[in-house]
Amino acid sequence: GESVGLHLPTLSVQEGDNSIINCAYSNSASDYFIWYKQESGKGPQFIIDIRSNMDKRQGQRVTVLLNKTVKHLSLQIAATQPGDSAVYFCAEISSNTGKLIFGQGTTLQVKP
Amino acid sequence: GAGVSQSPSNKVTEKGKDVELRCDPISGHTALYWYRQSLGQGLEFLIYFQGNSAPDKSGLPSDRFSAERTGGSVSTLTIQRTQQEDSAVYLCASSTQGYSEAFFGQGTRLTVV
Repeated sequence: GESVGLHLPTLSVQEGDNSIINCAYSNSASDYFIWYKQESGKGPQFIIDIRSNMDKRQGQRVTVLLNKTVKHLSLQIAATQPGDSAVYFCAEISSNTGKLIFGQGTTLQVKP
Repeated sequence: GAGVSQSPSNKVTEKGKDVELRCDPISGHTALYWYRQSLGQGLEFLIYFQGNSAPDKSGLPSDRFSAERTGGSVSTLTIQRTQQEDSAVYLCASSTQGYSEAFFGQGTRLTVV
């Protein structure tokens, strides 16, 4: 099936440290790039998105960076907490088609 | 609540049987997606409905899979002659057309024995 690729399958960080989760994408025509969080046994939940004409967007404790030159997307989580432990997926969507495509996911493990 | 509802939450079926999975999207959401997620894997796109437009069926893995959306609301994903490789969690999501925030249901865990 269609998907957006990810670099690392598992990331382990110490509680309180910052986390950086990376993603590579291939479709330059996408209008938005998005991060979702999936906790065990639940459906994915929207975290933050960034429009394709931006390179940085900040939310609460999270920052998304978009580098269109190298087709790279990253999610930075500040002061990582145990509740941040989950699988993080990048995704992309085209406003024309509305089709939402997901990457393979990175598991974030937060050590106390 | 007014979230996306999927039923059943779990389904065990014998190989060769047909199954129907149901999704009730958030009221007013015109976009509806189905994904398949195998254990420890990502979300594989299956099909996408948008309003009255023809659905994007490009992700359906075989002609045993079909889906419909009645009245622009409830959707049913049907798998005919199930195989063991169909075992996975089937996730449904809905959104306002063109918006990147999609709301997911809890999924249906399908086990084919």
